[in-house]
Amino acid sequence: NAGVMQNPRHLVRRRGQEARLRCSPMKGHSHVYWYRQLPEEGLKFMVYLQKENIIDESGMPKERFSAEFPKEGPSILRIQQVVRGDSAAYFCASSPNGGSGNTIYFGEGSWLTVV
Amino acid sequence: KQEVTQIPAALSVPEGENLVLNCSFTDSAIYNLQWFRQDPGKGLTSLLLIQSSQREQTSGRLNASLDKSSGRSTLYIAASQPGDSATYLCAVNTNAGKSTFGDGTTLTVKP
Repeated sequence: NAGVMQNPRHLVRRRGQEARLRCSPMKGHSHVYWYRQLPEEGLKFMVYLQKENIIDESGMPKERFSAEFPKEGPSILRIQQVVRGDSAAYFCASSPNGGSGNTIYFGEGSWLTVV
Repeated sequence: KQEVTQIPAALSVPEGENLVLNCSFTDSAIYNLQWFRQDPGKGLTSLLLIQSSQREQTSGRLNASLDKSSGRSTLYIAASQPGDSATYLCAVNTNAGKSTFGDGTTLTVKP
């Protein structure tokens, strides 16, 4: 059973370009979470999604950031018109359901560098 | 708003020592608390998950305790080894799957 798969692992974008980060949850998991880790900081919650639904996006910046988890395929975190401050590690996690008793499993992360 | 604090921010110990990492949180209405390990440039590895109804969990040389009423958790590492060197993150879950993380304790175990 493969773990949470994220790609690309490393992405370099110039200012103003778009970044797309993909996350395939563990098999059987229908809940996906995105976190951002800025340099020298802890992880900060961004968004919680189920298939075709955004459950909680309270941690998402108001502009340029969007996330989706379609019925088929991976979850996508999209950052439009990237700026240097978007440089960070973006982690995806999944759980079988949204229950409080479940461990959430993290992917290896996607490191975005904006030059 | 839940806030999670980890002390110390960094810790350096000689091999073989027992050590304690601390995590405190402001809102005691939690579902569970999870300790993770993160190696440089890597993802998170779950170490221990403590449900709100539990007091402690053990896995090998690791023992995590939870005191909800005081808003504290500790991670005890016995007989530390150089391979334990990493950043240890505490995450508090107050809503399904939405965790609040501390900034971590970076541990260095010297041979």
